[in-house]
Amino acid sequence: DAKTTQPPSMDCAEGRAANLPCNHSTISGNEYVYWYRQIHSQGPQYIIHGLKNNETNEMASLIITEDRKSSTLILPHATLRDTAVYYCIVRVASNAGNMLTFGGGTRLMVKP
Amino acid sequence: DGGITQSPKYLFRKEGQNVTLSCEQNLNHDAMYWYRQDPGQGLRLIYYSQIVNDFQKGDIAEGYSVSREKKESFPLTVTSAQKNPTAFYLCASSISLRGNEQFFGPGTRLTVL
Repeated sequence: DAKTTQPPSMDCAEGRAANLPCNHSTISGNEYVYWYRQIHSQGPQYIIHGLKNNETNEMASLIITEDRKSSTLILPHATLRDTAVYYCIVRVASNAGNMLTFGGGTRLMVKP
Repeated sequence: DGGITQSPKYLFRKEGQNVTLSCEQNLNHDAMYWYRQDPGQGLRLIYYSQIVNDFQKGDIAEGYSVSREKKESFPLTVTSAQKNPTAFYLCASSISLRGNEQFFGPGTRLTVL
Protein backbone atom coordinates (compact mmCIF):
# COMPACT_ATOMS: atom_id res chain seq x y z
CA ASP A 1 0.00 0.00 0.00
CA ALA A 2 1.34 3.38 -0.96
CA LYS A 3 1.87 5.68 2.00
CA THR A 4 1.53 9.44 2.04
CA THR A 5 3.59 12.16 3.65
CA GLN A 6 2.07 15.53 4.53
CA PRO A 7 3.34 18.49 6.54
CA PRO A 8 1.72 18.40 9.99
CA SER A 9 0.49 21.98 9.84
CA MET A 10 0.15 25.03 7.58
CA ASP A 11 -1.19 28.55 7.87
CA CYS A 12 -3.00 30.50 5.18
CA ALA A 13 -4.38 34.04 5.06
CA GLU A 14 -8.10 34.36 4.49
CA GLY A 15 -8.89 34.99 0.82
CA ARG A 16 -5.59 33.62 -0.39
CA ALA A 17 -5.03 30.27 -2.07
CA ALA A 18 -4.13 27.37 0.22
CA ASN A 19 -1.76 24.87 -1.38
CA LEU A 20 -1.51 21.61 0.52
CA PRO A 21 1.24 19.21 -0.62
CA CYS A 22 1.30 15.44 -0.40
CA ASN A 23 4.05 12.98 -1.26
CA HIS A 24 3.13 9.46 -2.35
CA SER A 25 6.31 8.24 -4.00
CA THR A 26 5.38 4.54 -3.84
CA ILE A 27 2.01 4.91 -5.50
CA SER A 28 1.17 2.21 -8.01
CA GLY A 29 -0.40 2.69 -11.40
CA ASN A 30 -3.97 1.82 -10.45
CA GLU A 31 -4.13 3.75 -7.19
CA TYR A 32 -6.11 6.98 -6.94
CA VAL A 33 -5.26 9.98 -4.79
CA TYR A 34 -8.11 11.09 -2.52
CA TRP A 35 -8.46 14.16 -0.35
CA TYR A 36 -10.74 14.43 2.66
CA ARG A 37 -10.94 17.06 5.35
CA GLN A 38 -12.12 16.92 8.94
CA ILE A 39 -13.35 19.91 10.84
CA HIS A 40 -12.82 19.59 14.57
CA SER A 41 -14.95 16.87 16.20
CA GLN A 42 -16.89 16.14 13.02
CA GLY A 43 -16.78 13.32 10.50
CA PRO A 44 -14.43 13.64 7.51
CA GLN A 45 -15.76 15.17 4.32
CA TYR A 46 -14.80 14.07 0.82
CA ILE A 47 -13.17 16.80 -1.27
CA ILE A 48 -11.81 15.40 -4.51
CA HIS A 49 -9.94 12.51 -6.06
CA GLY A 50 -7.86 11.83 -9.17
CA LEU A 51 -5.71 9.29 -10.96
CA LYS A 52 -3.43 11.06 -13.44
CA ASN A 53 -5.06 14.21 -14.69
CA ASN A 54 -5.66 17.37 -12.74
CA GLU A 55 -9.16 17.62 -11.34
CA THR A 56 -11.35 20.53 -10.28
CA ASN A 57 -14.70 20.73 -8.56
CA GLU A 58 -16.64 23.33 -6.63
CA MET A 59 -14.51 22.84 -3.55
CA ALA A 60 -10.94 22.52 -4.77
CA SER A 61 -8.42 21.62 -7.46
CA LEU A 62 -6.11 18.64 -7.42
CA ILE A 63 -2.78 18.83 -9.21
CA ILE A 64 -0.95 15.52 -9.68
CA THR A 65 2.62 15.51 -10.94
CA GLU A 66 3.39 13.68 -14.14
CA ASP A 67 5.30 10.94 -12.32
CA ARG A 68 2.38 10.71 -9.83
CA LYS A 69 4.74 10.77 -6.87
CA SER A 70 3.21 13.88 -5.38
CA SER A 71 0.10 16.01 -5.53
CA THR A 72 -1.20 19.37 -4.33
CA LEU A 73 -4.66 20.25 -3.16
CA ILE A 74 -5.55 23.85 -3.90
CA LEU A 75 -8.28 25.79 -2.13
CA PRO A 76 -8.42 28.86 -4.38
CA HIS A 77 -9.85 31.37 -1.90
CA ALA A 78 -9.53 30.04 1.62
CA THR A 79 -12.10 31.10 4.20
CA LEU A 80 -12.11 30.70 7.97
CA ARG A 81 -14.48 27.75 7.54
CA ASP A 82 -11.75 25.90 5.65
CA THR A 83 -9.77 25.53 8.88
CA ALA A 84 -9.55 21.76 9.27
CA VAL A 85 -7.28 18.73 9.06
CA TYR A 86 -6.74 17.70 5.44
CA TYR A 87 -6.01 14.08 4.67
CA CYS A 88 -4.27 12.88 1.52
CA ILE A 89 -5.07 9.22 0.95
CA VAL A 90 -4.01 6.71 -1.64
CA ARG A 91 -6.67 4.15 -2.23
CA VAL A 92 -5.72 0.63 -1.26
CA ALA A 93 -6.38 -1.67 -4.15
CA SER A 94 -7.44 -5.03 -2.75
CA ASN A 95 -9.87 -7.80 -3.51
CA ALA A 96 -12.22 -6.23 -1.00
CA GLY A 97 -12.24 -2.96 -2.89
CA ASN A 98 -11.83 0.60 -1.83
CA MET A 99 -10.34 0.82 1.66
CA LEU A 100 -9.19 4.23 2.83
CA THR A 101 -6.16 4.50 5.09
CA PHE A 102 -6.01 7.82 6.92
CA GLY A 103 -2.65 9.15 8.11
CA GLY A 104 -2.00 12.16 10.30
CA GLY A 105 -3.00 14.79 7.74
CA THR A 106 -2.18 18.51 7.57
CA ARG A 107 -3.79 20.87 10.02
CA LEU A 108 -4.65 23.98 8.00
CA MET A 109 -5.25 27.16 9.93
CA VAL A 110 -6.87 29.97 7.94
CA LYS A 111 -6.22 33.30 9.61
CA PRO A 112 -8.06 36.61 9.17
CA ASP B 1 -32.51 14.70 3.95
CA GLY B 2 -30.25 11.77 3.14
CA GLY B 3 -27.32 11.05 5.37
CA ILE B 4 -25.74 9.05 8.14
CA THR B 5 -26.71 9.36 11.75
CA GLN B 6 -24.81 8.19 14.77
CA SER B 7 -26.13 8.20 18.27
CA PRO B 8 -25.44 9.26 20.87
CA LYS B 9 -22.86 11.99 20.25
CA TYR B 10 -21.29 11.45 23.68
CA LEU B 11 -21.32 8.17 25.58
CA PHE B 12 -19.92 7.29 28.98
CA ARG B 13 -19.50 3.75 30.26
CA LYS B 14 -17.86 2.03 33.16
CA GLU B 15 -14.87 -0.17 32.54
CA GLY B 16 -15.83 -3.78 31.87
CA GLN B 17 -19.18 -2.99 30.28
CA ASN B 18 -20.05 -3.70 26.68
CA VAL B 19 -21.50 -0.77 24.77
CA THR B 20 -23.19 -0.60 21.37
CA LEU B 21 -22.85 2.41 19.06
CA SER B 22 -25.58 3.07 16.56
CA CYS B 23 -25.09 3.90 12.86
CA GLU B 24 -27.97 4.38 10.43
CA GLN B 25 -27.94 5.54 6.81
CA ASN B 26 -30.76 6.33 4.40
CA LEU B 27 -28.54 6.73 1.33
CA ASN B 28 -29.30 3.22 0.08
CA HIS B 29 -25.58 2.45 0.23
CA ASP B 30 -24.43 -1.15 0.21
CA ALA B 31 -21.08 -0.61 1.97
CA MET B 32 -20.63 0.59 5.53
CA TYR B 33 -17.55 1.12 7.69
CA TRP B 34 -16.47 1.78 11.26
CA TYR B 35 -13.36 3.79 12.09
CA ARG B 36 -11.69 4.74 15.33
CA GLN B 37 -9.86 8.02 15.88
CA ASP B 38 -7.60 8.82 18.82
CA PRO B 39 -6.63 12.42 19.71
CA GLY B 40 -4.38 14.00 17.10
CA GLN B 41 -4.34 10.85 15.00
CA GLY B 42 -5.83 9.72 11.71
CA LEU B 43 -8.65 7.21 11.32
CA ARG B 44 -8.15 3.47 11.64
CA LEU B 45 -10.53 0.93 10.14
CA ILE B 46 -12.27 -1.41 12.60
CA TYR B 47 -14.81 -3.31 10.49
CA TYR B 48 -16.51 -2.95 7.14
CA SER B 49 -19.46 -4.51 5.39
CA GLN B 50 -20.16 -4.68 1.68
CA ILE B 51 -23.67 -6.14 1.86
CA VAL B 52 -26.27 -7.26 4.36
CA ASN B 53 -25.22 -10.22 6.52
CA ASP B 54 -21.60 -9.81 5.49
CA PHE B 55 -18.77 -8.02 7.29
CA GLN B 56 -15.00 -8.17 7.41
CA LYS B 57 -12.35 -7.21 9.95
CA GLY B 58 -10.34 -4.09 9.38
CA ASP B 59 -6.96 -3.20 10.83
CA ILE B 60 -7.96 -3.05 14.51
CA ALA B 61 -10.95 -5.39 14.97
CA GLU B 62 -9.85 -6.97 18.26
CA GLY B 63 -12.28 -6.17 21.06
CA TYR B 64 -15.04 -5.07 18.70
CA SER B 65 -18.00 -6.79 17.06
CA VAL B 66 -20.55 -5.74 14.43
CA SER B 67 -23.73 -6.95 12.76
CA ARG B 68 -25.39 -6.09 9.48
CA GLU B 69 -28.93 -7.43 9.63
CA LYS B 70 -30.38 -4.52 7.68
CA LYS B 71 -28.94 -2.52 4.80
CA GLU B 72 -29.38 0.77 6.59
CA SER B 73 -27.93 -0.24 9.96
CA PHE B 74 -24.42 -1.24 11.06
CA PRO B 75 -24.11 -1.17 14.87
CA LEU B 76 -20.72 -1.51 16.55
CA THR B 77 -20.27 -3.17 19.93
CA VAL B 78 -17.24 -2.22 21.98
CA THR B 79 -16.65 -5.19 24.25
CA SER B 80 -14.87 -5.39 27.56
CA ALA B 81 -12.01 -7.10 25.71
CA GLN B 82 -11.07 -3.81 24.05
CA LYS B 83 -8.21 -2.56 26.21
CA ASN B 84 -8.37 1.14 25.32
CA PRO B 85 -11.94 1.86 24.26
CA THR B 86 -11.98 5.60 24.90
CA ALA B 87 -11.93 7.20 21.45
CA PHE B 88 -13.94 8.99 18.77
CA TYR B 89 -15.85 6.48 16.63
CA LEU B 90 -16.88 7.29 13.07
CA CYS B 91 -19.28 5.41 10.83
CA ALA B 92 -19.24 5.82 7.05
CA SER B 93 -20.99 4.44 4.00
CA SER B 94 -20.43 4.30 0.26
CA ILE B 95 -22.41 3.11 -2.74
CA SER B 96 -20.26 0.02 -2.82
CA LEU B 97 -16.83 -1.01 -1.66
CA ARG B 98 -15.52 0.44 -4.91
CA GLY B 99 -17.48 3.67 -4.53
CA ASN B 100 -15.31 6.73 -4.86
CA GLU B 101 -16.71 8.70 -1.97
CA GLN B 102 -17.32 7.67 1.61
CA PHE B 103 -19.92 9.64 3.54
CA PHE B 104 -19.26 10.00 7.24
CA GLY B 105 -21.54 10.40 10.19
CA PRO B 106 -20.97 12.99 12.94
CA GLY B 107 -19.23 10.49 15.20
CA THR B 108 -19.69 9.19 18.75
CA ARG B 109 -17.20 10.12 21.44
CA LEU B 110 -16.95 7.20 23.87
CA THR B 111 -15.38 7.66 27.27
CA VAL B 112 -14.82 4.67 29.50
CA LEU B 113 -14.43 5.58 33.14
